[in-house]
Amino acid sequence: RKEVEQDPGPFNVPEGATVAFNCTYSNSASQSFFWYRQDCRKEPKLLMSVYSSGNEDGRFTAQLNRASQYISLLIRDSKLSDSATYLCVVKAAGNKLTFGGGTRVLVKP
Amino acid sequence: ETGVTQSPTHLIKTRGQQVTLRCSSQSGHNTVSWYQQALGQGPQFIFQYYREEENGRGNFPPRFSGLQFPNYSSELNVNALELDDSALYLCASSLGTSPDTQYFGPGTRLTVL
Repeated sequence: RKEVEQDPGPFNVPEGATVAFNCTYSNSASQSFFWYRQDCRKEPKLLMSVYSSGNEDGRFTAQLNRASQYISLLIRDSKLSDSATYLCVVKAAGNKLTFGGGTRVLVKP
Repeated sequence: ETGVTQSPTHLIKTRGQQVTLRCSSQSGHNTVSWYQQALGQGPQFIFQYYREEENGRGNFPPRFSGLQFPNYSSELNVNALELDDSALYLCASSLGTSPDTQYFGPGTRLTVL
């Protein structure tokens, strides 16, 4: 079983719609959680950290469920520029970031 | 831009050859982590360097090795290249060994024929 698992998609989303997807992690000792965004053939960039209480950044909302060991990302009012691969990232104690395989989102006019 | 640079941007090698990839960290950052990202996969942690010493390693064989220099720039060396080593190699710089935020460079795309 992979340490961090994501639905690879693609999620085809009409412009203006809402899309949500999850990521599950296997290490119950995981301490920090993030969503990164990666555009085609580019490097990953931090989108947002995920806190236990849930957090929102503009149109993006992230949730953490420690009991069920999953995190989620919701994108409201999708823009064409939101088309990207969204990487779920988990960090246990220490220095290693563990990435999921990514969820591809395609926003269409 | 993150201020993290990598060279070269693209590289083509043949099986059995050796390769050296380079990374310059963001100013003030003393830690460099290296990742391998195969096509369609997420990045996989190779190792981390802190103050010129290896500080953690992922599930990669010894033919993957590295260096960090006093100016905190870093090299990734891969010996005896295999076809499966074809990937995007990313370095990420950070301040400290267990940061929440790492800043990625643009990567080096390695193709092994």
